Order: sequence, then C-alpha cells, then structure tokens
Amino acid sequence: GEKVEQHESTLSVREGDSAVINCTYTDTASSYFPWYKQEAGKGLHFVIDIRSNVDRKQSQRLIVLLDKKAKRFSLHITATQPEDSAIYFCAADSGGSNYKLTFGKGTLLTVTP
Amino acid sequence: NAGVIQTPRHKVTGKGQEATLWCEPISGHSAVFWYRQTIVQGLEFLTYFRNQAPIDDSGMPKERFSAQMPNQSHSTLKIQSTQPQDSAVYLCASSLGGAGSDYTFGSGTRLLVI
Repeated sequence: GEKVEQHESTLSVREGDSAVINCTYTDTASSYFPWYKQEAGKGLHFVIDIRSNVDRKQSQRLIVLLDKKAKRFSLHITATQPEDSAIYFCAADSGGSNYKLTFGKGTLLTVTP
Repeated sequence: NAGVIQTPRHKVTGKGQEATLWCEPISGHSAVFWYRQTIVQGLEFLTYFRNQAPIDDSGMPKERFSAQMPNQSHSTLKIQSTQPQDSAVYLCASSLGGAGSDYTFGSGTRLLVI
C-alpha cells in the first residue's frame, strides 16, 4: 500500500521567513495530495491540496509543488506568521476508487517572532 | 454546520473493558473515515465507509476492533477488551466521497486505557 514519508519532523523559522515541508510517496497511482494543519489540542484542519494534473498550486501564502517523476510534493509557507505555528501533515490518496488518505507523520512548525 | 462531531471527547477505561466511540459526520457527506493518532505511529488509517457500506478495513486490528455505520448520521468504533496500547486519539473524518475530496475531521476522542 501507499507509504508517505514526511522529511522534517520539526522546523523552526523566524517570522517573515519562508518554511518548506517536504514529503515523498510510493504509489504511482496516487493523484491527490492534501495538506492538513493541527493546532494544539485540536483536530486536523484542511489547508490546501494539489492534484496530479498540475505541478503547482497557490492559495495566498501557501504554495504546493508536485513532482510526479520523483514522487515528491512540498508545502511552502511564505511570509510566516506566529499563527502558522502548528503540526502540518501531508497525505496522499490510494488512486482509483479507494478514497482513503495515507498521512505522513507530521512536521511541527514553530514560527518565532 | 457543526462539523464532524465525536463523542465522548475523553474516555478512560480499565484494561479489559469495552469502549465505544461515536461519530456524527457532516450531513450530506457520503464517506466516513476512522484514524488513530499516537505520537509514535502518527495517523494510522483504521477503516472507512461509503454510503454506509464498509469499503476498506485494512487498518483495523481484527480481533478486538469493529466499526459500524447503521445510518447516514452516525458511525461507531467499538474496542473490546481494551489494552493499554489502545490508548490514543481516535479521529473520525467525513468527506463528500468523490475522488480527491478533502476530509473534515472531528476533534477526536482521547482514549486512555489504565
């Protein structure tokens, strides 16, 4: 089955700098790659996604890049703010008609003022 | 829209007892997913339903875990003979169910087995 590896377990940046979180996946059939944010004591909250028919997507300060050849995708947070501090999870679907997501282990992002 | 509702928020059970966790998905969402979250293992998929039918239970420990979705408004995850290693946050999520539909997660049930 699909395996998703999230490369940074922790990441610390200064406010205003950019943060980049990298993930790789194994299943070539995967076509949907969402990102979720989890703040302390709360459930996961969807932030942005990318589908395999594009290689870049931007939503305000969030940019997702997808490299299908390398089976790699990344989340870029520009102009970081303290409220961006949270755990970020990448995920990949299984392709086909199975809609379950496989998650990475999460990256704890800390933005210091 | 109250989002995905999970009850209880916290549950403490003694080793060997049964625990039942409840999930109310968002109205109109046809897919319901259960995950278990721990520090060590991260988010582990357990099972999912689409239009109330079980689709994939490949993550369920077969002997003591079971899940049901008797109607479109709720799903239950039952753990029999709970063990300390079952302690985790159990997360339920729902989605519209099509390919590439994002999940909406509940706040989770924190289960502690003592």
